[in-house]
Amino acid sequence: DTEVTQTPKHLVMGMTNKKSLKCEQHMGHRAMYWYKQKAKKPPELMFVYSYEKLSINESVPSRFSPECPNSSLLNLHLHALQPEDSALYLCASSPLAGSTDTQYFGPGTRLTVL
Amino acid sequence: AQSVTQPDIHITVSEGASLELRCNYSYGATPYLFWYVQSPGQGLQLLLKYFSGDTLVQGIKGFEAEFKRSQSSFNLRKPSVHWSDAAEYFCAVGNQAGTALIFGKGTTLSVSS
Repeated sequence: DTEVTQTPKHLVMGMTNKKSLKCEQHMGHRAMYWYKQKAKKPPELMFVYSYEKLSINESVPSRFSPECPNSSLLNLHLHALQPEDSALYLCASSPLAGSTDTQYFGPGTRLTVL
Repeated sequence: AQSVTQPDIHITVSEGASLELRCNYSYGATPYLFWYVQSPGQGLQLLLKYFSGDTLVQGIKGFEAEFKRSQSSFNLRKPSVHWSDAAEYFCAVGNQAGTALIFGKGTTLSVSS
């Protein structure tokens, strides 16, 4: 199974809402990633988890809060977002954290902030 | 600092014609190079990767790429394009710290019939 799943596929939220994005993999990978992708742009790294610990935070605003409850699951909690946060949020996993390992991407969650 | 340049923003190729997408990188040591493809509204799928060894790398869906150190390039090729190849293609390099990927801005491939 080389699949990374993400739910929901689409999410519309107001600026005062609290919502969460979920990502799951069952490949035994020990690294998981959150990326943000705006239209016609490459993915931008947000967070990296290695062995369930946050190892990289790319200066992401605190209104984005990641969580890794176990080695298969990665959440992104959203609170008080801005319209400019509307984007495709991609989750990825790799066997180990590092740029030499192949990252497997999920299909993404399309987020719209009103 | 490491960087990846994809000089072509948009390319249109006739179905059945050959394809070459360009990628140039800036990196001090031996780079770890990747090509990903993204269909509209989808995640990224790995086409192929180069770490070391044979400089001609075979990937999925009939794609190949050639690493040329002297030209700092890792161009993606396909001998005969199919309409289903229309997508966004990203070249990426592993950063020097070994912690993340640096993506190019992407090339949009359109296939005409």
